Amino acid sequence: ETGVTQTPRHLVMGMTNKKSLKCEQHLGHNAMYWYKQSAKKPLELMFVYSLEERVENNSVPSRFSPECPNSSHLFLHLHTLQPEDSALYLCASSPSEGYNEQFFGPGTRLTVL
Amino acid sequence: AQSVAQPEDQVNVAEGNPLTVKCTYSVSGNPYLFWYVQYPNRGLQFLLKYITGDNLVKGSYGFEAEFNKSQTSFHLKKPSALVSDSALYFCAVREDYNQGGKLIFGQGTELSVKP
Repeated sequence: ETGVTQTPRHLVMGMTNKKSLKCEQHLGHNAMYWYKQSAKKPLELMFVYSLEERVENNSVPSRFSPECPNSSHLFLHLHTLQPEDSALYLCASSPSEGYNEQFFGPGTRLTVL
Repeated sequence: AQSVAQPEDQVNVAEGNPLTVKCTYSVSGNPYLFWYVQYPNRGLQFLLKYITGDNLVKGSYGFEAEFNKSQTSFHLKKPSALVSDSALYFCAVREDYNQGGKLIFGQGTELSVKP
């Protein structure tokens, strides 16, 4: 859609599984974000990486573990999730400085059984 | 603390009529304001932003927004709505020139345009 890709687009996992979400941006940005979007709730910012360093962690449970190996890639490692973690997980990127908009990927629809 | 409020969960408009989606904000410094649109099962798409300058900002798909500092508002408008404008709209604010470009989003407004 916008130069930010996310895989997989859909994921169903059990509570004992371990899985990872991947985000890749081809826009030359150096800040990347993970958001959680649940039904009837506003977007929840989970993590912010700027220049490959985590600059924000919004009290996210440790069962969510982010990784940013370089400025183009962002992962969200998932383990022992709960059914209430079912949501749309959105990745975004932007330049880390200035007043620029964020560009979003299409999201991963996660269902935890 | 920064915050954004979208007072209407849903807005219903007839095709061809003007539409307004409301947004108010609260920041302690200068506000930098954004509007995004989200179609079903898609990510958010950027529509427009206000950084400084002219209070009336024009964006994609014929949308515009008016920044009103005294009323701390940034309402999204379009003179003539299309059925294809039906989607979820988010207002967002960024307070400062901060590291990482963090945005605070409103809860979203569902726009429904009927033929």
